[in-house]
Amino acid sequence: DQQVKQNSPSLSVQEGRISILNCDYTNSMFDYFLWYKKYPAEGPTFLISISSIKDKNEDGRFTVFLNKSAKHLSLHIVPSQPGDSAVYFCAAFPASGGGADGLTFGKGTHLIIQP
Amino acid sequence: NAGVTQTPKFQVLKTGQSMTLQCAQDMNHEYMSWYRQDPGMGLRLIHYSVGAGITDQGEVPNGYNVSRSTTEDFPLRLLSAAPSQTSVYFCASSSDRGLYGYTFGSGTRLTVV
Repeated sequence: DQQVKQNSPSLSVQEGRISILNCDYTNSMFDYFLWYKKYPAEGPTFLISISSIKDKNEDGRFTVFLNKSAKHLSLHIVPSQPGDSAVYFCAAFPASGGGADGLTFGKGTHLIIQP
Repeated sequence: NAGVTQTPKFQVLKTGQSMTLQCAQDMNHEYMSWYRQDPGMGLRLIHYSVGAGITDQGEVPNGYNVSRSTTEDFPLRLLSAAPSQTSVYFCASSSDRGLYGYTFGSGTRLTVV
C-alpha cells in the first residue's frame, strides 16, 4: 500500500520551459514533505521541503506547492536546465509520535530536459 | 569533507553469507537511517536511529540488524544474505527529523548470488 505516489515514471520538458512534477499521499499523519534529486550512482540530494502549515515554499528556481485537502504536492522548476535531468523523489514524514523517524518515498519521476 | 561515508561501494555475496555495511557521519547528527532502493520501487526505510543506543524498525527490516553505539556510526548487518537482498543501500543522517533534509551517502551496491 503506497503512502506516497508519483504516478508519472518519466517526464520530458524542453530546456527553458517549466517542469512540473506531481506527488500524492494517503497518510494523513504526514506533516512534512520533501523533494530529492538523484543522479545515477549517487545518493539523493535534498532540494526543498514544505511543512503542512504552508501551501508554498520557494527556493530559487524551485517552488513546492502543497494542497493539503487534496493530499497533493507539486514541484515546479522554472526555467528548466539540462542539469535538472535526474530522478526526482517525493518524500514525507509525520510529526513526532506519528510513526517511524524516517522518510517515506515515492517511486520517483525521471525528468529529461530536452535541448 | 563533511558528510555521510558508506563502505564498501560494491559487494558481491554468496547466499547465506553475512556482512556489515558501514555508515559514518561527521556532522554530529542524531537521526540516522538505512534505505534500500530497488528498480521501480523508490527508497524504502529499513531501520532508523534517533540517537546513540536507540534504534527501531522501518518498513522492510527483516533480515537486517542495526546498532548505534556512537553518534557517528550506524552499521547495517545482513545476517544470512539472500538474493532478495540484492539492492542499492543508502545511509542518511539529519539533525532535525528531516525537515531540513537528510544527507545521504553515495550508496553500496550489493549483489547476492
